[in-house]
Amino acid sequence: DTGVSQDPRHKITKRGQNVTFRCDPISEHNRLYWYRQTLGQGPEFLTYFQNEAQLEKSRLLSDRFSAERPKGSFSTLEIQRTEQGDSAMYLCASSSAGASQPQHFGDGTRLSIL
Amino acid sequence: KNQVEQSPQSLIILEGKNCTLQCNYTVSPFSNLRWYKQDTGRGPVSLTIMTFSENTKSNGRYTATLDADTKQSSLHITASQLSDSASYICVVSAYGNNRLAFGKGNQVVVIP
Repeated sequence: DTGVSQDPRHKITKRGQNVTFRCDPISEHNRLYWYRQTLGQGPEFLTYFQNEAQLEKSRLLSDRFSAERPKGSFSTLEIQRTEQGDSAMYLCASSSAGASQPQHFGDGTRLSIL
Repeated sequence: KNQVEQSPQSLIILEGKNCTLQCNYTVSPFSNLRWYKQDTGRGPVSLTIMTFSENTKSNGRYTATLDADTKQSSLHITASQLSDSASYICVVSAYGNNRLAFGKGNQVVVIP
């Protein structure tokens, strides 16, 4: 399978703990996106990388959130001091450069905060 | 106010019937519009993508239309199958903006 893969698929943790998610994009894609999706809503943009450069961050990305893409390949999203409001599906997508290139999504990491 | 509004929020249709989903947007300047299908617990999968100059595009039993003048799009599902049960998300892109504007989705349930 050469699609976008995300790990883990599910994460349950206690409030206040730190969590880290990983995304492996399609290998030839230089753009990588993180989204958050809650039940009954569409995905909300969090941040965007072109190669290893983080070019854009949403105001949703508080200082407890940090994303990296150190070698322009896989990416990690870390949430520190988790809060119950962080419970959501975290989706990663990748695409080639170009305005009309489709974003290919992974199946997400479902985060549940106890 | 969301820049992409979809209707109906949800609908139930009988297997074999057709249905049409609506998307209205205010995103400007318009670059392209995409429809995605999202199965429960899975990531969205691209169905169609249309630019300003395209007014219809098909992908199997899915046909999307676009009226850039009225800023409306529709997704028509022909001869629905049980596997069509999913959320269908309308996504609009603006020129010069890497962010996509997502609708909340149309939740479709196909029953036998």
